[in-house]
Amino acid sequence: DGGITQSPKYLFRKEGQNVTLSCEQNLNHDAMYWYRQDPGQGLRLIYYSQIVNDFQKGDIAEGYSVSREKKESFPLTVTSAQKNPTAFYLCASSLRGLLRQPQHFGDGTRLSIL
Amino acid sequence: KNEVEQSPQNLTAQEGEFITINCSYSVGISALHWLQQHPGGGIVSLFMLSSGKKKHGRLIATINIQEKHSSLHITASHPRDSAVYICAAATEETSGSRLTFGEGTQLTVNP
Repeated sequence: DGGITQSPKYLFRKEGQNVTLSCEQNLNHDAMYWYRQDPGQGLRLIYYSQIVNDFQKGDIAEGYSVSREKKESFPLTVTSAQKNPTAFYLCASSLRGLLRQPQHFGDGTRLSIL
Repeated sequence: KNEVEQSPQNLTAQEGEFITINCSYSVGISALHWLQQHPGGGIVSLFMLSSGKKKHGRLIATINIQEKHSSLHITASHPRDSAVYICAAATEETSGSRLTFGEGTQLTVNP
């Protein structure tokens, strides 16, 4: 079955450490997105990519980095510059734009500070 | 003020009740998405609409473009409908399309 796989499900980070969250899709979708969710708040866009080797900053990109070397993969690195990284991170994809296509989501990664 | 606002934030209903969740947006949108988030965190897309009304089973979504307002209705609610319901506005930008999300409505349906 096609879908989006995020790993790991839970992740713990030490102070000053970079961590990378994995996102893989086998839906042959062009566009991929990373969101952050905090309790009581709506999802906020971190980065998105419409095609391979190209990506755009979202609303809260500071302290994060991404790459899009392959169509099916869009890893997110949470760097030590992100001072409050504890959150639920969701990866999503869509066939192309979101005007006529639904967005598909992974099951998320919960990141916590040790 | 958020660009996408939902009401109510929390909603408790008895099984069988008719439920309405409202969404207002201030941005110029190309489409409006309704999503459902389960307690474990997974999100599924329910509807995507740019005009009129859509129905899927007991769920109905409507949108009024002139008033910048959308509603999600659940008929004959059931405890398994308990979840967070999220509306999101799709906008087209030079760098591609993106969603702006409301804060969600926590629905609890009691048996």
